[in-house]
Amino acid sequence: QQQVKQSPQSLIVQKGGISIINCAYENTAFDYFPWYQQFPGKGPALLIAIRPDVSEKKEGRFTISFNKSAKQFSLHIMDSQPGDSATYFCAASSNYGGSQGNLIFGKGTKLSVKP
Amino acid sequence: DAGITQSPRHKVTETGTPVTLRCHQTENHRYMYWYRQDPGHGLRLIHYSYGVKDTDKGEVSDGYSVSRSKTEDFLLTLESATSSQTSVYFCAISQDKSGPQHFGDGTRLSIL
Repeated sequence: QQQVKQSPQSLIVQKGGISIINCAYENTAFDYFPWYQQFPGKGPALLIAIRPDVSEKKEGRFTISFNKSAKQFSLHIMDSQPGDSATYFCAASSNYGGSQGNLIFGKGTKLSVKP
Repeated sequence: DAGITQSPRHKVTETGTPVTLRCHQTENHRYMYWYRQDPGHGLRLIHYSYGVKDTDKGEVSDGYSVSRSKTEDFLLTLESATSSQTSVYFCAISQDKSGPQHFGDGTRLSIL
């Protein structure tokens, strides 16, 4: 119930292509869905986040698509660049219950963008 | 970048020894978190704090304790380290319970 399932584990994309990473959840109480980007040797950095009152949020080349009925959300990276090569984590949290606000993370996707 | 400093950045120690990791923040955020990151597991919450002297357990709290005597400092202690606690440990902070969390750069802990 508390899991967030992320796919794929790894992804190779050509420069200029679109990278798509998907996450699925079961807990319908989740109401905050952030994506984090992590480079080797560094901590995760918040990239973009969405709440379920909207179906899409765009910030520059990064877009979150959210499908409440399917309990899925995805990250799209347009015009992918070698500098985007990193590990990406989706996460979810709920404003309700004993674990209020605690983030549940997916297991991560290692993205490689080839020049 | 959020003002979060983790120390030490790297540590090697032996099984059975106590270990304390420190997280220091300069943002005056109320909430602080300790996570561990392991290959294939993503980030898992160990303990968190919602104020000075106020802490609670996360998903993987066994074998760990925490303390927060000042707003800016959150300590994670491994009472008697085991090899299964070899991991990268991250501290995070947040202004609001359900708001964005900002992470430090981690402590790589190896227990031999």
